[in-house]
Amino acid sequence: DTAVSQTPKYLVTQMGNDKSIKCEQNLGHDTMYWYKQDSKKFLKIMFSYNNKELIINETVPNRFSPKSPDKAHLNLHINSLELGDSAVYFCASSRDRYGAFFGQGTRLTVV
Amino acid sequence: RKEVEQDPGPFNVPEGATVAFNCTYSNSASQSFFWYRQDCRKEPKLLMSVYSSGNEDGRFTAQLNRASQYISLLIRDSKLSDSATYLCVVKPGQNFVFGPGTRLSVLP
Repeated sequence: DTAVSQTPKYLVTQMGNDKSIKCEQNLGHDTMYWYKQDSKKFLKIMFSYNNKELIINETVPNRFSPKSPDKAHLNLHINSLELGDSAVYFCASSRDRYGAFFGQGTRLTVV
Repeated sequence: RKEVEQDPGPFNVPEGATVAFNCTYSNSASQSFFWYRQDCRKEPKLLMSVYSSGNEDGRFTAQLNRASQYISLLIRDSKLSDSATYLCVVKPGQNFVFGPGTRLSVLP
């Protein structure tokens, strides 16, 4: 009965590959997010979608492309992976002024 | 200056101690405020929202001072299970802005 679920949990891949991370929420929230947590544990917003529309796109390389087929899903596609992309990626969702709920994270390792 | 700043920590306290976390934020347009906890290798989990009048949830008390742009979290009678990183979060618009976190270790 997971509220925000993302897959895969672990992803190990070689430099130059293209990979996707999927996220789904069953909370009925209107807004979904992708956050990146680097090795220093700092959580930084990458993208935010509200009702399938992009509302925040921080300074993220355009190798990263979010896709929201409907308001319950927000996927992240990454092209031409680089070593510096290694991090934990968290999907989250929220409604109005309430707090956000996070998925369990995807630990991406680029070798 | 970072948008959200917190005590650098770590805090090492004995069981039963009272511990206070401090946080300041720079964006005066922030409307919503939260404390999250994050356990090692886990996702951040919402601990509590923070309201202007201050609010309490069991052993946890949160305070907000909008004039000083300051948020605090007090944990009373700390338990071993309180060991985690505590993240101060503000929401100036659509985005949740996280502080760097303060690590707490409660020792037996």
